[in-house]
Amino acid sequence: DIVMTQSPLSLPVTLGQPASISCRSSQSLVHSDGNTYVHWFQQRPGQSPRRLINKVSNRDSGVPDRFSGSGSDTDFTLTISRVEAEDVGVYYCMQATHWPRAFGQGTKLEIK
Amino acid sequence: EVQLLESGGGLVQPGGSLRLSCAASGFTFNNYAMNWVRQAPGKGLEWVSLISNGGGDSSYYADSVKGRFTISRDNSKNTVYLQMNSLRADDTAIYYCARHTTIDYWGQGTLVTVSS
Repeated sequence: DIVMTQSPLSLPVTLGQPASISCRSSQSLVHSDGNTYVHWFQQRPGQSPRRLINKVSNRDSGVPDRFSGSGSDTDFTLTISRVEAEDVGVYYCMQATHWPRAFGQGTKLEIK
Repeated sequence: EVQLLESGGGLVQPGGSLRLSCAASGFTFNNYAMNWVRQAPGKGLEWVSLISNGGGDSSYYADSVKGRFTISRDNSKNTVYLQMNSLRADDTAIYYCARHTTIDYWGQGTLVTVSS
């Protein structure tokens, strides 16, 4: 099975500063159809998860443009250009290329 | 507006069974694959199962639930189900219903507690 490894697991950030989360896969996530099905989710305290980024770098509707995704093959990154207070929560990457699907362990972002 | 409303959670003894339901609205249900994803208390997300769109001819499971859980759908009721048998303490979690193979929308979740 695919293992998704996120780092760091805890991310204290000063308001207005950038933040970056890494997600590494144990195998290539390029699908036979040519797409790479890596998605990023945000879970604010007490809420359901919400998708931010689909297929590596496509920002979902309503997601602020300070969020961006990048990467390829086995290495992926979620970047927040300037952290705001509402960004506090846990961030997960997920692969939907192979069965079974797999999430990363989660990265908890907090304000320093 | 896409809405997913889970129900059926509760307290069950180890070895028992429970059936979760997820009622969908705001989109053409038949056109979308549907997932169940769970989250144990204070832990991360774990994908559980997916059923394909249309007739639901294909279904997939996490190794941790294979042989114990069964996903199904009733397109006439816009509802996806998760039948959970032989429940164990480590199945205790919030169970979320989520739409599409890319998991674009999530429900609010229903809590399942397995305890004697």
